Amino acid sequence: DTAVSQTPKYLVTQMGNDKSIKCEQNLGHDTMYWYKQDSKKFLKIMFSYNNKELIINETVPNRFSPKSPDKAHLNLHINSLELGDSAVYFCASSPFGTSGGPSYEQYFGPGTRLTVT
Amino acid sequence: AQSVTQPDIHITVSEGASLELRCNYSYGATPYLFWYVQSPGQGLQLLLKYFSGDTLVQGIKGFEAEFKRSQSSFNLRKPSVHWSDAAEYFCAVALNFGNEKLTFGTGTRLTIIP
Repeated sequence: DTAVSQTPKYLVTQMGNDKSIKCEQNLGHDTMYWYKQDSKKFLKIMFSYNNKELIINETVPNRFSPKSPDKAHLNLHINSLELGDSAVYFCASSPFGTSGGPSYEQYFGPGTRLTVT
Repeated sequence: AQSVTQPDIHITVSEGASLELRCNYSYGATPYLFWYVQSPGQGLQLLLKYFSGDTLVQGIKGFEAEFKRSQSSFNLRKPSVHWSDAAEYFCAVALNFGNEKLTFGTGTRLTIIP
């Protein structure tokens, strides 16, 4: 199936640990994103990459480090996990528009629910 | 401050009834406007978008939205809801800076009653 996939779907870990979430898209898109959705469903962008180049880097603690080995993958590594990192993390991707600029149509993965205890 | 507001946190509608979800934005220029839907346990799916032109836009699943510049609004409508429409709905905006950054509203949870 063509889609944006994330692994794992659920992640439960203790404070202080380091963890990674993986994202892959086989839609042939050039831009990928990480979003954080908190317990109140508020969705906020964290990072975006265009063809492996960092484009958007919001005010995110430097414990969060995205890595894009190729344009189909964007992984999120989190060091020294804190209770406040508990959230659902969504990966998304988008193609270029017909004129070669952004299409603004983002396709989301199913999310990874991270629980820090 | 620039923002996007969804005034209704939770709306309950009877199946078959009409629906309108509100979205207002506060930006100096007209942003690009979007509605996304999130079913329980799922990621977000784009329903429709407005960039320019006709202010009434049609989307998937029978939804439409109307852009009203004078009211800085982009309300989502559906003439007859189905039980499968129960979900969280997010309005989002993007400014034409070329970096595709979407700013989301806080969402409206839609409950459908038989």
